[in-house]
Amino acid sequence: DIQMTQSPSSLSASVGDRVTITCRASQSISSYLNWYQQKPGKAPKLLIYAASSLQSGVPSRFSGSGSGTDFTLTISSLQPEDFATYYCQQSYSTPHSFGQGTKLEIK
Amino acid sequence: QVQLVQSGAEVKKPGASVKVSCKASGYTFTGYYMHWVRQAPGQGLEWMGWINPNSGGTNYAQKFQGRVTMTRDTSISTAYMELSRLRSDDTAVYYCARDRSIVGANNGMDVWGQGTTVTVSS
Repeated sequence: DIQMTQSPSSLSASVGDRVTITCRASQSISSYLNWYQQKPGKAPKLLIYAASSLQSGVPSRFSGSGSGTDFTLTISSLQPEDFATYYCQQSYSTPHSFGQGTKLEIK
Repeated sequence: QVQLVQSGAEVKKPGASVKVSCKASGYTFTGYYMHWVRQAPGQGLEWMGWINPNSGGTNYAQKFQGRVTMTRDTSISTAYMELSRLRSDDTAVYYCARDRSIVGANNGMDVWGQGTTVTVSS
């Protein structure tokens, strides 16, 4: 099985900050990498698919990059509604494993 | 609008089975794979498997092989996930989620159900 490791596990930032979250796969997954945002008590929301493609309706301040084993999610200017937990997920091979999550908190 | 509506919360005893439903609307049910994901209290997301609603074909995570069964009823656009021999560590919120693309099951999950809480307790 492919292991997904996110860093950091938690992050404190301020509105307007630029934030980067990293996700590393235990083996190459090409560009089969997705990012989700989850708020407490809610279902996850797809932000980025195929490593760098922005899901319809998602603000352009979110961007993704990477291929192979190393990936990043960047939020260019944090907004109050962005404070949430973020998960990466590989869909290269089953099981489609998730990272452990990164909790983004207000500083 | 495109949506997935799941069945209500369940409380089960250890050793029992639970069957969660996921009713799709607003799109062609047979056109998109359906995934199931669970989340234990305070924990991360765990992918359980997918079903192809058109063919009925399934792919389960090895961890759940032998205990999980994913089925569908195309006449009512509903997918089901049944988990048997429940243990306390199966207590979680269970989500169904649609694959984003009509091609395959590896494109990310763009539409999610609201989640079904399953509590396993004696």
